[in-house]
Amino acid sequence: GAGVSQTPSNKVTEKGKYVELRCDPISGHTALYWYRQSLGQGPEFLIYFQGTGAADDSGLPNDRFFAVRPEGSVSTLKIQRTERGDSAVYLCASSPARGTEAFFGQGTRLTVV
Amino acid sequence: AQKVTQAQTEISVVEKEDVTLDCVYETRDTTYYLFWYKQPPSGELVFLIRRNSFDEQNEISGRYSWNFQKSTSSFNFTITASQVVDSAVYFCALSERNGQNFVFGPGTRLSVLP
Repeated sequence: GAGVSQTPSNKVTEKGKYVELRCDPISGHTALYWYRQSLGQGPEFLIYFQGTGAADDSGLPNDRFFAVRPEGSVSTLKIQRTERGDSAVYLCASSPARGTEAFFGQGTRLTVV
Repeated sequence: AQKVTQAQTEISVVEKEDVTLDCVYETRDTTYYLFWYKQPPSGELVFLIRRNSFDEQNEISGRYSWNFQKSTSSFNFTITASQVVDSAVYFCALSERNGQNFVFGPGTRLSVLP
């Protein structure tokens, strides 16, 4: 596709459940980022992939969060045992190389009830 | 550590006024990249501009202009003759040389009133 695609656009889940959020980056972009944005705040870095490997996962809040990018394209952010505090918009971005501008998807709004 | 400060939380202007959004950054790297993004009510972050630390030329694009000053670690954004469609949250962001993540400021909410 022309831009970064994220699915689903909205996800409501019960506390304690497992969720997967998908990101389909712009074709050919080697760098992929996951961010989380809470209401009224700026995006908060979670993890960065260069190709298939997670080059920097220092932003993941705890071990309930995990992300993969097995073939260097599509990425999945996985959250185990969701908590109400995980409710936020999860943003994915891709860029052609490090240091270049990142293009963001529409985000997945996650609500944990 | 890298940090971005946007001291203005909210700004309101009347259409056709000029408005400047401030951005101050902190980094220990000598090579870094600065960005501005716009987030309209629809929610998607829209890339506006990228600047390299070694290029201090100011830039103008239509009604938008950017003033990068390394001496004061600032990268300010001016909208000339603002329009209602400019209403959005604007984020300044910094990426250091390794480019492994973007650090965003808290954003400035701009409201342009008709």
